[in-house]
Amino acid sequence: ETGVTQSPTHLIKTRGQQVTLRCSSQSGHNTVSWYQQALGQGPQFIFQYYREEENGRGNFPPRFSGLQFPNYSSELNVNALELDDSALYLCASQGQGARNTEAFFGQGTRLTVV
Amino acid sequence: AQSVTQLDSQVPVFEEAPVELRCNYSSSVSVYLFWYVQYPNQGLQLLLKYLSGSTLVKGINGFEAEFNKSQTSFHLRKPSVHISDTAEYFCAVSPPSSASKIIFGSGTRLSIRP
Repeated sequence: ETGVTQSPTHLIKTRGQQVTLRCSSQSGHNTVSWYQQALGQGPQFIFQYYREEENGRGNFPPRFSGLQFPNYSSELNVNALELDDSALYLCASQGQGARNTEAFFGQGTRLTVV
Repeated sequence: AQSVTQLDSQVPVFEEAPVELRCNYSSSVSVYLFWYVQYPNQGLQLLLKYLSGSTLVKGINGFEAEFNKSQTSFHLRKPSVHISDTAEYFCAVSPPSSASKIIFGSGTRLSIRP
């Protein structure tokens, strides 16, 4: 158990719909990153949030957006879902400072777009 | 920019045999190096990490890895595998400034034969 929890664990959406995924970071961690892992591939960095501001973004279109709340929990929103958005979405949290050299991952949300 | 190449997509080995999973990386700046393991239908678990110092790092479950700067490699090894080691293994790098902005390789599936 890493202390990072994601919800829901699974969901099915229809192409064109919108989805919101949620992540609660480990206690004391103020940085949250989101990753997309397509079947048979390694995770791809979507974006990172630090103290409620976006702090870096990977090669994903604007229809992927996020939020971080004062308690450091986070949401990933995807608009206009496409079939290729079907994937495992992973959230990772990390503390700040020189000693925080590791990210802790949640169990993921499996999104299926039909 | 950084990139990670895992040279083998699948590695079959017999139980109690040694194994080496290969990883090469590319980066114009110094990076942290990681190996993560992913069991079926689960998130990512950190096996070990290299930050600096000794080039041989030991991790959980009897795994170790050696950082080779001249060959830009970070191969993972275990002297004797068990059925429970069956999983997907990901090599990864991140900038020292943010250990949760991680670039992953495509993964190596380790399958253990009895």
